[in-house]
Amino acid sequence: EAQVTQNPRYLITVTGKKLTVTCSQNMNHEYMSWYRQDPGLGLRQIYYSMNVEVTDKGDVPEGYKVSRKEKRNFPLILESPSPNQTSLYFCASSFWGGNTGELFFGEGSRLTVL
Amino acid sequence: EDQVTQSPEALRLQEGESSSLNCSYTVSGLRGLFWYRQDPGKGPEFLFTLYSAGEEKEKERLKATLTKKESFLHITAPKPEDSATYLCAVQSGISTQGGSEKLVFGKGMKLTVNP
Repeated sequence: EAQVTQNPRYLITVTGKKLTVTCSQNMNHEYMSWYRQDPGLGLRQIYYSMNVEVTDKGDVPEGYKVSRKEKRNFPLILESPSPNQTSLYFCASSFWGGNTGELFFGEGSRLTVL
Repeated sequence: EDQVTQSPEALRLQEGESSSLNCSYTVSGLRGLFWYRQDPGKGPEFLFTLYSAGEEKEKERLKATLTKKESFLHITAPKPEDSATYLCAVQSGISTQGGSEKLVFGKGMKLTVNP
């Protein structure tokens, strides 16, 4: 089954404790992206990657890091989480050759930073 | 700066009561306009891509249309299972930060269809 898998789905952590949210897709997609979704603000892009070792900032990259060492994986790293990073996070992927706006989304990771 | 505005923010319909959702946009060269559906606790699910004014796409009870300034998602004879949040997004053809793959979403519109 074609899917984008995120882990963990739910996480409560404390300020400053480094964490990683993993994202893996099994569709051989070149393009991957991270979004955060907040009430009243909608979906905002954090980072995206057009292929292995190629990443770029989205609208709200501050406080986040990403890496793309393998085609299928695109982890989101919060080096020193703060309460304003409490949010619902989505990973998404698509074919590069197609339109990268036609995204497959994961189920989401709800992060709470205390 | 690319902007997307969706209206209304929420809409309640009776089953069978047709209506339209609006997505107005400002973009520097439209590469594509996208509609997604999001169910509670789930990730958005892709519905349609529209590329140029005058284009239309249909899927079951949904029909998406595009003009130079806005897109409409028409829902004909909706059913309770059409209840969801509908998201609109645009992708610009102009590179902003060395890449041209930025996708800008609207805040979404929550549709409730009562039986």
